Amino acid sequence: DAKTTQPNSMESNEEEPVHLPCNHSTISGTDYIHWYRQLPSQGPEYVIHGLTSNVNNRMASLAIAEDRKSSTLILHRATLRDAAVYYCILRGVSGGSNYKLTFGKGTLLTVNP
Amino acid sequence: DVKVTQSSRYLVKRTGEKVFLECVQDMDHENMFWYRQDPGLGLRLIYFSYDVKMKEKGDIPEGYSVSREKKERFSLILESASTNQTSMYLCASSLFDGYTFGSGTRLTVV
Repeated sequence: DAKTTQPNSMESNEEEPVHLPCNHSTISGTDYIHWYRQLPSQGPEYVIHGLTSNVNNRMASLAIAEDRKSSTLILHRATLRDAAVYYCILRGVSGGSNYKLTFGKGTLLTVNP
Repeated sequence: DVKVTQSSRYLVKRTGEKVFLECVQDMDHENMFWYRQDPGLGLRLIYFSYDVKMKEKGDIPEGYSVSREKKERFSLILESASTNQTSMYLCASSLFDGYTFGSGTRLTVV
């Protein structure tokens, strides 16, 4: 499985933008970049995913580098409810075992009031 | 809203017992997964299934088995529970895009 590298922790202030980086230098051409987050005492929650182009949804934006070796999850205005562990994961598309997700340690985001 | 439901939120079992953890999804997803989560070790994949009656081992299958007789239900079985299987167990399902996780079952083996 291709690996991702994320900072162990980051801190932000409420209502400010947050940029969570992820490096994935060994990404293959067919790997999608997925982001999940896990709030305390809950199961992980899907945030966003993309392949090559930048993506936006109601939760966040995903900016993908042109060479696809890194990506950034952007929370436009952090709230206290965004405090969580954020996981950046690569996922294949060809079916069967390629659908599995391998979770790393993720980034613990702290949001200060 | 789509849902993955795990039958129990908390479970306490004795060493040597056979334990069944049930997971049901209502999204007609083909892929289903069982993870366990432990402090300092993160989420680790135990087993997954990409079709009815199909199963594949994940990263830590030892001591576990699974059953998928119907598309919507994926069961994790601890053949003989041991104290090192005390953990949070998370079930998930997916089609092609994002996973949907259940709320988890916190299993304590005493």
